[in-house]
Amino acid sequence: AQSVTQLDSQVPVFEEAPVELRCNYSSSVSVYLFWYVQYPNQGLQLLLKYLSGSTLVKSINGFEAEFNKSQTSFHLRKPSVHISDTAEYFCAVSDGGRRALTFGSGTRLQVQP
Amino acid sequence: DAGVIQSPRHEVTEMGQEVTLRCKPISGHDYLFWYRQTMMRGLELLIYFNNNVPIDDSGMPEDRFSAKMPNASFSTLKIQPSEPRDSAVYFCASSFLSGGVGEQFFGPGTRLTVL
Repeated sequence: AQSVTQLDSQVPVFEEAPVELRCNYSSSVSVYLFWYVQYPNQGLQLLLKYLSGSTLVKSINGFEAEFNKSQTSFHLRKPSVHISDTAEYFCAVSDGGRRALTFGSGTRLQVQP
Repeated sequence: DAGVIQSPRHEVTEMGQEVTLRCKPISGHDYLFWYRQTMMRGLELLIYFNNNVPIDDSGMPEDRFSAKMPNASFSTLKIQPSEPRDSAVYFCASSFLSGGVGEQFFGPGTRLTVL
């Protein structure tokens, strides 16, 4: 069975500061990892994903995440956040065999001016 | 493409009534997922289909919930009878199997309130 733990339910941060949203997973098989973002009153949108290859993956809006197999982590980082990054961020895992995703509980990123 | 379409966007009903939520996946996608989101339990997978066939319904809460996918472009999630604890946002998502794991595209959700 797979599980995802997002250690922080809320992360307040000032604009232009760096941020890290933590995600740890457990799985007995190889995994595929995802970060989704949910803006208020909207559905989830894929932010970035790790399927294979380079362990550092990046999104078009400045976020990046690094797959660390030994620490079973996939933390999300951004060196300088904007007000528009305020949203809820979900880490998710799939083992590939079962196509559905297992989501973490989410981290609410609150960017303050 | 218009993306995943869900209707209605909001539904308010009384306990005991039947509720039907609808979803139109992205054309060409062969997987369809139904999720439920609540403050207490987060995002939970209810059921998913592959090529219109239910693959895993282990997340369906109880017999009051049923889901169908009569064709590749339409799916329904029905709750009968509804209860206040069913109040949640229900998301539909679709994906296309690519390289073993496909990105899931989510609809805007249906916010269900059962009074």
